[in-house]
Amino acid sequence: GQNIDQPTEMTATEGAIVQINCTYQTSGFNGLFWYQQHAGEAPTFLSYNVLDGLEEKGRFSSFLSRSKGYSYLLLKELQMKDSASYLCAVIGNNDMRFGAGTRLTVKP
Amino acid sequence: KAGVTQTPRYLIKTRGQQVTLSCSPISGHRSVSWYQQTPGQGLQFLFEYFSETQRNKGNFPGRFSGRQFSNSRSEMNVSTLELGDSALYLCASSSGMNSPLHFGNGTRLTVT
Repeated sequence: GQNIDQPTEMTATEGAIVQINCTYQTSGFNGLFWYQQHAGEAPTFLSYNVLDGLEEKGRFSSFLSRSKGYSYLLLKELQMKDSASYLCAVIGNNDMRFGAGTRLTVKP
Repeated sequence: KAGVTQTPRYLIKTRGQQVTLSCSPISGHRSVSWYQQTPGQGLQFLFEYFSETQRNKGNFPGRFSGRQFSNSRSEMNVSTLELGDSALYLCASSSGMNSPLHFGNGTRLTVT
């Protein structure tokens, strides 16, 4: 079976840094994606990790440890528009499965 | 390049009816996946099609089915609708197995 776990909700302050964790147990591993989904909108791609380490993309970074089945998404210099759900998705042997998502609220 | 297009955007059906949802992928994308999204369960994988063949299937009952046409457009069908089928149905296309999914805006299905 496959398990992908993320915290349900997080709150942070504008300008701060927040780390959203994702742990997974999957049959096979071929990569991990992070998506952002604003309320009422479709998910959009943020980052992709297939090797261990940190991938940086502007204010967003994503880290992967395959041996620990662990990833995190790091958001720096938070802005109000970053309030959204963040979805961790793992490619197993055959398909892409999603975690339930972390709803992030950014407060002034 | 046009994005993923799903029709209709909203649908209201009655228990026991059936429904067909349509998805047009990004031009050149041959893989189309379908997901069900509900507040409590998040995104649940339904199935994936590649070159008109179902490549993978999630843990949904046989009432949920799909197909893909030679132009990569896909449809999903739900028969004998139940109240619990009320959800947002998202279609996504990609250019390959390890490529990002590009999602459509979804079809919001309400079963009464």
